[in-house]
Amino acid sequence: QKEVEQDPGPLSVPEGAIVSLNCTYSNSAFQYFMWYRQYSRKGPELLMYTYSSGNKEDGRFTAQVDKSSKYISLFIRDSQPSDSATYLCAMSVFNAGGTSYGKLTFGQGTILTVHP
Amino acid sequence: KAGVTQTPRYLIKTRGQQVTLSCSPISGHRSVSWYQQTPGQGLQFLFEYFSETQRNKGNFPGRFSGRQFSNSRSEMNVSTLELGDSALYLCASSLAGIKEAFFGQGTRLTVV
Repeated sequence: QKEVEQDPGPLSVPEGAIVSLNCTYSNSAFQYFMWYRQYSRKGPELLMYTYSSGNKEDGRFTAQVDKSSKYISLFIRDSQPSDSATYLCAMSVFNAGGTSYGKLTFGQGTILTVHP
Repeated sequence: KAGVTQTPRYLIKTRGQQVTLSCSPISGHRSVSWYQQTPGQGLQFLFEYFSETQRNKGNFPGRFSGRQFSNSRSEMNVSTLELGDSALYLCASSLAGIKEAFFGQGTRLTVV
């Protein structure tokens, strides 16, 4: 079983829809949670990161973390065709020194298409 | 502020050869991590360097190695290339840990 599970989709929605992307994880030591967006033939772009349970909002994006359920979500409001990309969740464990020494554990990524 | 720069963008190598990839982190960032991305396995952590020292390593064979220079630029080397090494190799830079890691565009390696 993978430490981080993410439904690969693909997910296709009409422009303007609310998109919900989700990941579950098994390692309760994960403390930092990130969402990346990756366009074809590009590197991942950091969208949001959070370390606490609850919601964090940034423009049209809301990241949600539920540590008790080991579940994280990314919501995209008013989705646009330019949001079409692969969305990756990522997590890290921090040691007593306060750093995970660069290791992110990724989900498989969800392919999202927003059609006009 | 310049982003993470990886060179070259594309490489084609023959089985058995070796290859060196380069990563220049964001100015001021001292941590550089390397990842391999394939359709089947997704993004997998290779190793991380901080102040010229490897602090963490993933589950890859010893054919994969790296180093970091005093200016924080990093290189990774793959020796005795195998067909299965064909992948997008990504590096990520961060200030010191992993709170915010920024990725480069990657190097697409094809082994034939």
